[in-house]
Amino acid sequence: KQEVTQIPAALSVPEGENLVLNCSFTDSAIYNLQWFRQDPGKGLTSLLLIQSSQREQTSGRLNASLDKSSGRSTLYIAASQPGDSATYLCAVPSGGSNYKLTFGKGTLLTVNP
Amino acid sequence: GAVVSQHPSRVICKSGTSVKIECRSLDFQATTMFWYRQFPKQSLMLMATSNEGSKATYEQGVEKDKFLINHASLTLSTLTVTSAHPEDSSFYICSALNLMRGATDTQYFGPGTRLTVL
Repeated sequence: KQEVTQIPAALSVPEGENLVLNCSFTDSAIYNLQWFRQDPGKGLTSLLLIQSSQREQTSGRLNASLDKSSGRSTLYIAASQPGDSATYLCAVPSGGSNYKLTFGKGTLLTVNP
Repeated sequence: GAVVSQHPSRVICKSGTSVKIECRSLDFQATTMFWYRQFPKQSLMLMATSNEGSKATYEQGVEKDKFLINHASLTLSTLTVTSAHPEDSSFYICSALNLMRGATDTQYFGPGTRLTVL
């Protein structure tokens, strides 16, 4: 059974700092890995999707890396801003499907002005 | 990107009543929709997979008679929580994707529905 773990559970940083969020998964036979953002009481916003054949994806100040063999992914946020404050979730397909997602519990990020 | 809506966004009901939550794909045809549940400070947990025109498949531990899912068209799936109890209070999120040949198999998430059972 796929399990997804995110570390740290919470992170508080001053504005402008670069930071790294970590995600690990137990079954390395994944189709892809996604990072999402969730604001309090809201749905999910997809940030980056990395296919299993890729090593990283970049979008603006965000960079996600994937190391399938070690079962790890990182989300790097450069020059953090207060508007980046949210919960960040990573998810991988599991259960024999390329689309049924198993999520981590997320990292609650607070960027202080 | 494609848009998925959910209605209602919030609902409060009395214990024992049934609540229906709608998930709509607004600008694409969703052959498949997934229903997730999220308890406070917990991760999203997949409840069931809904395929248009067929019966939903439920994850282990999810009661199919309690959580009724109907996916009667390519743009609408409904989740009905029957005889709701306070422990059913949660955040319910749907996602939708198009698995027809030639379609982009990107999964889009709805904004969620907050259910509170008194």
